[in-house]
Amino acid sequence: DTGVSQDPRHKITKRGQNVTFRCDPISEHNRLYWYRQTLGQGPEFLTYFQNEAQLEKSRLLSDRFSAERPKGSFSTLEIQRTEQGDSAMYLCASSLLLAGLRDTQYFGPGTRLTVL
Amino acid sequence: ILNVEQSPQSLHVQEGDSTNFTCSFPSSNFYALHWYRWETAKSPEALFVMTLNGDEKKKGRISATLNTKEGYSYLYIKGSQPEDSATYLCARGAATDSWGKLQFGAGTQVVVTP
Repeated sequence: DTGVSQDPRHKITKRGQNVTFRCDPISEHNRLYWYRQTLGQGPEFLTYFQNEAQLEKSRLLSDRFSAERPKGSFSTLEIQRTEQGDSAMYLCASSLLLAGLRDTQYFGPGTRLTVL
Repeated sequence: ILNVEQSPQSLHVQEGDSTNFTCSFPSSNFYALHWYRWETAKSPEALFVMTLNGDEKKKGRISATLNTKEGYSYLYIKGSQPEDSATYLCARGAATDSWGKLQFGAGTQVVVTP
C-alpha cells in the first residue's frame, strides 16, 4: 500500500496526558499537512511542512501542540496536557509540490482521539 | 460569504436516482476548488481539482461544475448506487493564503438506499 498511513487509528487518553500521532506520507511527496476535524465540521488546517520545514501554523495550534518532520519523511503531532476539547479526528495529508493550491492533497485515514 | 458552506447537510437518494448538491465559497482571491469523497473508516478520496471559471470535470458517474465569479460549485451523481454513500467535502484554496492551506466545508452526507 503506497498511500498515506497514520498510527494509531484510535487513541483514548485521560485528560492531562500527552499523546503523539505519526503520519507516513506517500514516499515521494515533499509536502505534509495536518488537519483536525471535530463533530459536524469540516477538516480545519493545523500546519504544513515542505520537506522538513514547518511553513505555517494555524492559530488553532496552541502551545500544547507541536509537530515535527525531522527528516522530511514521516511526521509526528504531539499534544501535551490533553483537554477534552482536543477530542477530534486528526488527519494527515501529503502532496507533491507542483502547482501549489492546485496540487491534490492525499489523505490518510486519520487518528480518532478521545480525551476522557 | 466568508466560509465554505455545503448544502444540504445530508440527503437520502434512491438507488438509480440522480442527485446534486452545492458548495459555496468566497469568490474573492479564489485559486482552486477541491472535491473529496469520504467513506466511513476510510481515507478521504480526491475526486477533482478545479481552477477555471466554467470548469467541468467528470469521473464515471460523478461530475462537477465551477462558477468562480459567484462562488459556487455543484457536484452531480448520476444513477446513484449504494457505493456512492459517503460524505462529500469541498475545499477552497485562496490566493491570499499560504500555498498549503485548504478551507473545507462541513460536507454533504449522501445515503443511497437500494
